[in-house]
Amino acid sequence: SYELTQPPSVAVSPGQTARITCSGDALPEHYACWYQQKPGQAPVLVIYKDTERPSGIPERFSGSSSETGVTLTISGVQPEDEADYYCQSTDSRASLFGSGTKVTVL
Amino acid sequence: QVTLRESGPALVRPTQTLTLTCTFSGFSLTTSGLYVTWIRQPPGKALEWLALIDWDGDQYYTTSLRSRLTISKDTSKNQVVLTMTNMDPVDTATYFCARSTLRFLEFDYWGQGTQVTVSS
Repeated sequence: SYELTQPPSVAVSPGQTARITCSGDALPEHYACWYQQKPGQAPVLVIYKDTERPSGIPERFSGSSSETGVTLTISGVQPEDEADYYCQSTDSRASLFGSGTKVTVL
Repeated sequence: QVTLRESGPALVRPTQTLTLTCTFSGFSLTTSGLYVTWIRQPPGKALEWLALIDWDGDQYYTTSLRSRLTISKDTSKNQVVLTMTNMDPVDTATYFCARSTLRFLEFDYWGQGTQVTVSS
């Protein structure tokens, strides 16, 4: 079955850059999205169509794609960016979320 | 302003059927290109997509739970209903509904979620 693979955790100091990768067989053929989820809250869409940022999302959040997958980059990490991050994509028949990455701000 | 709110029982007994309702405002599910979807999240675990219904009434389900799920809509009430049969303790989770403008992707508005515990 189709899966999206993310690293379980990423730790970064304030002001540094966090990069979260997401890999999956169908990614080169389909767009990916990224969601931020803080404890006890619903997820928030932070990146769509691989690289687009919804209105209201800080510019420090950016997305990129390559043949191997997609990456969420948080430049100049802030303490409030500590959260779980999930990638999402599709195989045209269903939606799929990645396993999630916990970003810890040291 | 788009809002969604989930409602349903907090506790369900094993083997029972769960019925969850997503009541939304700020958009109509008769509008072409709009979708409402259900996602769940067991405690401490990842998000899991469950089902989606589009403006035309077409339904899509995750393969692993297809036989247990039914999604439907009542456009007059601005509601989407999810039923899940034969509940098991492993179905204990927070259940979210969300809206999207692209099938299977870009869930731009979410409800706050409703917690469902399956226990005897």
